Amino acid sequence: EIVMTQSPATLSVSPGERATLSCRTSQSVSSNLAWYQQKPGQAPRLLIYGASTRATGIPARFSGSGSGTEFTLTITSLQSEDFAVYYCQQCDNWPYTFGQGTKLEIK
Amino acid sequence: EVQLVQSGAEVKKPGESLKISCKGSGYSFTNHWIAWVRQTPGKGLEWMGIIYPVDSDTRYSPSFQDLVTLSADESINTVYLQLSSLRASDTAMYYCARRTVGATYLDYWGQGTLVTVSS
Repeated sequence: EIVMTQSPATLSVSPGERATLSCRTSQSVSSNLAWYQQKPGQAPRLLIYGASTRATGIPARFSGSGSGTEFTLTITSLQSEDFAVYYCQQCDNWPYTFGQGTKLEIK
Repeated sequence: EVQLVQSGAEVKKPGESLKISCKGSGYSFTNHWIAWVRQTPGKGLEWMGIIYPVDSDTRYSPSFQDLVTLSADESINTVYLQLSSLRASDTAMYYCARRTVGATYLDYWGQGTLVTVSS
């Protein structure tokens, strides 16, 4: 099973600034990686798939990069609604697995 | 509008069984696999399995292989998750989610079903 490691566990950033979240996989997943956002009391929402493609309706301030074992989610000009928990997920190898999440909080 | 609507919260005793439903609407139900994901504070998000509603082709995560059964009724656009011999550790939020066509990303999610197992 591929192990997903997200860092940091918690990230404190001020509104309007940039947030950079990392996801590392225990073996290469090529570009078969997604990012999800989850707010309290809600289901996760797909943000990025294929490591770098924004899902439908996702603002351009969200971007994904990376391939192989190292991936990054960048959120520029943070808005109040962006403070949430973010998960990465690989779909290269069954069983598909999620990272443990990064909580993005207001500084 | 694409929607996945799950059945309501459940409270069960250890050893009991449970079946959760997930009904899709607003899209061609036969074009998409449906996944089930468990969320707990301790283990986070976990893939349980995935089912193709047309022929009930199913894949289970090894961690859940002997614990759950997925099924589908294409005629009513509904898939089911059955949990048997419930334990306290099965207390969790359970989500169904639609798999995108061509790749296993989950683009639409149900609202979640909270299952509490307690004596």
